[in-house]
Amino acid sequence: GAVVSQHPSRVICKSGTSVKIECRSLDFQATTMFWYRQFPKQSLMLMATSNEGSKATYEQGVEKDKFLINHASLTLSTLTVTSAHPEDSSFYICSARDRPSAYEQYFGPGTRLTVT
Amino acid sequence: AQSVTQLGSHVSVSEGALVLLRCNYSSSVPPYLFWYVQYPNQGLQLLLKYTTGATLVKGINGFEAEFKKSETSFHLTKPSAHMSDAAEYFCAVSEGTFSGGYNKLIFGAGTRLAVHP
Repeated sequence: GAVVSQHPSRVICKSGTSVKIECRSLDFQATTMFWYRQFPKQSLMLMATSNEGSKATYEQGVEKDKFLINHASLTLSTLTVTSAHPEDSSFYICSARDRPSAYEQYFGPGTRLTVT
Repeated sequence: AQSVTQLGSHVSVSEGALVLLRCNYSSSVPPYLFWYVQYPNQGLQLLLKYTTGATLVKGINGFEAEFKKSETSFHLTKPSAHMSDAAEYFCAVSEGTFSGGYNKLIFGAGTRLAVHP
């Protein structure tokens, strides 16, 4: 149980275009989903937290107009990188929690974004 | 604010040797502590967690960790390393109480474990 998927696993896009990454909870309803960014050989940095049906909460320094997060249902959250630039190239990982009071997060396999 | 410090960004051991990955945390409330493993180009897999109760926690793949409040530590150990243990390991802390709508996970910088024959 508690499986989280991400799609696509890898994506290459041209500078200036937008790309959408999906995060799905396959066997549970995710009241909260988290989006992380990981640079090579570095730790995970929380970008934002999304609760189903409400606006995402962004961490300090994360541009909310650039990284659009939508959590339209209890099993799906999307991260859209708008007007992507090469510096946005990174590994993006989502996680999900099945209850508001839960402390454990279940992680997706990650999406490798390369902007050329 | 909570924080996690992992001592040693790289650890190298021989196959069959003891694995010790160090993690110290700071938290103003009783912490929930986690160890995750990450293989190349993959997401994070939970190895083990401490919430309450027994301070020695056993996880998957033969790993265990001990919560030592007096030392604010949660070191990860495995008696005998296997080649397949080579990966990146992250220690993380979360608040022990629910507040403000969500709990964040604060990650350490990670420790890359290499296992050589």
